[in-house]
Order: sequence, then structure tokens, then C-alpha cells
Amino acid sequence: GQNIDQPTEMTATEGAIVQINCTYQTSGFNGLFWYQQHAGEAPTFLSYNVLDGLEEKGRFSSFLSRSKGYSYLLLKELQMKDSASYLCAVRSYGSSNTGKLIFGQGTTLQVKP
Amino acid sequence: EAGVAQSPRYKIIEKRQSVAFWCNPISGHATLYWYQQILGQGPKLLIQFQNNGVVDDSQLPKDRFSAERLKGVDSTLKIQPAKLEDSAVYLCASSLERGGGYEQYFGPGTRLTVT
Repeated sequence: GQNIDQPTEMTATEGAIVQINCTYQTSGFNGLFWYQQHAGEAPTFLSYNVLDGLEEKGRFSSFLSRSKGYSYLLLKELQMKDSASYLCAVRSYGSSNTGKLIFGQGTTLQVKP
Repeated sequence: EAGVAQSPRYKIIEKRQSVAFWCNPISGHATLYWYQQILGQGPKLLIQFQNNGVVDDSQLPKDRFSAERLKGVDSTLKIQPAKLEDSAVYLCASSLERGGGYEQYFGPGTRLTVT
């Protein structure tokens, strides 16, 4: 079956670094996404990893290890506006040869002054 | 470029009533998705369209939910009759898919409250 695990909640201090982990078990793996979702708003795309390694984009970086079924999102120089839910989503190919996203429950990050 | 449009933004109905949601995807995006997001959870895929054909509806409660995407553009999702547990945000998303454009763009969602 398909399973995605990430911590429910995390707290960090403004200016610090935080790492949000995600582990997954899925068939037909075809990439991993991270989305940010502020309360009451739609998810917005942060990053996409399909090969092993680190992808860096400004203050945000995302890492993938396909052999371990593991990814993390690294947020540097935390700002108050980074307080949000971070969703890990695995893209899985089905029999129709089109992909679909399976989301984890999300990690609520609270940034404190 | 215009984003994914959804309406209404909020809807309150009583159980056993019917409700419909509308979605207009980003122009040129062949794939359209409807998700249900219950408070405190990640989005759950209800149905996926490729152009106007259904690709995946394995998690759609077909006894009460229906969706269509006429002409491969706009889509509607209907619930009839609604139950209390249908209270959630219904998100529409679209993606290009071809050429590696796998990123999904989400609309603002419709917050449904069933009383």
C-alpha cells in the first residue's frame, strides 16, 4: 500500500534552521513534492525531487533518498511568515501511466520570536 | 497567467442537501484534480481527469459524489446527499503533465460546512 509519514507538529525559533522529515512507502514512485500551506489557504509548490540528492532554492532545500524512502525539507534563516503546514507528497504512477499525488498529513511548523 | 479558479469559496448546507462546486483550471492544463482536505489532514485525491476522461476515481464515494469535466476544461464536483463527514475544504488543482510539468497548481478551495 501507500504510506507517507511526517511529524505532526514542530516548533522553531526565528532565524534558526529546521528540518522536516518525510518517510514513504509507495509503488510506482515518480518523484516527491513539498508544498507549503498557510492556514485557510491553498497549498503552494516549494520543491520537487525525482533523483537522489539535494535541491536548493533560496532559503529552502529538499533532499531525497529513494533507496531509503526518505526526504527532508530544510528551512534556513526562519522567518515568522514560515509558520505554516508543510506537506510531503509522493507522485505515483498508476496503470493509466499518469501520475497522482499522495499527500502526507502535513507538519505544522510554528516559528517563535 | 491566471491561476486555478474555484467557486463558491464558502458553502453551508444541511445534511441530506445537495451542493455543487465549480473549477476552472489554468489554461492549457490537461490534467485536473479534485481533493478533499479535512481539517488537520493532507489533501486526499477524489478524482483525476486527463482532458475530459477520468483517470482515477478510486477514492470517490460514488454513491453520493459525482464529477464531470465537459469539453476538457471546466469541472464540477457534486455531493448528493451531503453528510456531516463531508465537511471539509474541496481543492481543485491542475497540471500540465506532458513535458515533465508535474507541478500541481491549486485553487483557493471551497470550504463546505454540513450541519
